[in-house]
Amino acid sequence: DTEVTQTPKHLVMGMTNKKSLKCEQHMGHRAMYWYKQKAKKPPELMFVYSYEKLSINESVPSRFSPECPNSSLLNLHLHALQPEDSALYLCASSHTGDQPQHFGDGTRLSIL
Amino acid sequence: GNSVTQMEGPVTLSEEAFLTINCTYTATGYPSLFWYVQYPGEGLQLLLKATKADDKGSNKGFEATYRKETTSFHLEKGSVQVSDSAVYFCALGANTGFQKLVFGTGTRLLVSP
Repeated sequence: DTEVTQTPKHLVMGMTNKKSLKCEQHMGHRAMYWYKQKAKKPPELMFVYSYEKLSINESVPSRFSPECPNSSLLNLHLHALQPEDSALYLCASSHTGDQPQHFGDGTRLSIL
Repeated sequence: GNSVTQMEGPVTLSEEAFLTINCTYTATGYPSLFWYVQYPGEGLQLLLKATKADDKGSNKGFEATYRKETTSFHLEKGSVQVSDSAVYFCALGANTGFQKLVFGTGTRLLVSP
């Protein structure tokens, strides 16, 4: 069983919708990450939060907006997405920035 | 910059066969190396890791040795099972603050009974 929980598991949305992805961990990890994974490709880093502060933004379009309300929770707010944004979105966490990352099972997002 | 190269898949084996998945890397400094496994419909699971040269990571019968002289971290298992069928990712993490993981392209393993 994964210790990083992501909800929802599946999400279908139109290009004008606003939705949010949620990630939760209770391992006391202080670094949290969002990745995007297209089919048959490795994950691509989007954002890194360390101690609830945004540390890395890999030049992600502003239609993706991350939020870290507390040390256990990470959100990804979605607005005006494009069909090419359809992918598996993975959340990960690590004890600190230099420790192995633990991944959730992801949210499979489809944009109509 | 840092990069990871993995062998192309799919790798198709019969149950109880010996497995090797090659992984080589290019990096500055002294990175940590990881193998992650992704089963269908799931996220990535950390399989094993090594943080310095000559370290051997092992887990669930899989093992890999951090070889600085050949810049390699090949994954091996002596006897694969059908349940090992998955995609395996080799990854590199620079030991400078944040583990910005650099992944290889992934290798799909298919094990038949």
